[in-house]
Amino acid sequence: DAKTTQPTSMDCAEGRAANLPCNHSTISGNEYVYWYRQIHSQGPQYIIHGLKNNETNEMASLIITEDRKSSTLILPHATLRDTAVYYCIVRVFSSNTGKLIFGQGTTLQVKP
Amino acid sequence: KAGVTQTPRYLIKTRGQQVTLSCSPISGHRSVSWYQQTPGQGLQFLFEYFSETQRNKGNFPGRFSGRQFSNSRSEMNVSTLELGDSALYLCASSLEGGFGEQFFGPGTRLTVL
Repeated sequence: DAKTTQPTSMDCAEGRAANLPCNHSTISGNEYVYWYRQIHSQGPQYIIHGLKNNETNEMASLIITEDRKSSTLILPHATLRDTAVYYCIVRVFSSNTGKLIFGQGTTLQVKP
Repeated sequence: KAGVTQTPRYLIKTRGQQVTLSCSPISGHRSVSWYQQTPGQGLQFLFEYFSETQRNKGNFPGRFSGRQFSNSRSEMNVSTLELGDSALYLCASSLEGGFGEQFFGPGTRLTVL
């Protein structure tokens, strides 16, 4: 699985959009980009995933660059409850393992 | 639908003892994975079970073992506990593993004294 690079920490004002970048310059054609987050002392929570098209769900949007070497997770209207560690993970589409390789993630602090 | 449950939530052991942690996946899920989380190493994959078979294993010593039962419930065991085994142990389940979303439990906080 390709390696990802994320900023260690970011701040965001409550109500504003939070844009979390992720670099995955060695991503392969069959690798997907996944985002999970972990609110303090809880288990990680799935947010969204994508291959090459932009994706949106009720939680967030995922923007993947055309060359797929980087992506951005967007929380459109951040709230205090979005304060968490956000993990960008690159995974091969595989039917024989659910293994996730977590990096250090980005600690997002949403401030009032 | 009930989420992933882990028992116990907190555990204190002393060095040299052994411990068994339990994970009940979401109903219908057949894949269970275990992770260790420490401040120094972050989240690390331990192993994964699917239909009672271990199909993937992380880079941990043989003191760490696990198993999965026919009802998909899983246990992990750590023998001869060391201080460095103090961690949050997380269990995740999914329908088939692979591509699907992983649902994590709240974890078991193990403290080794």
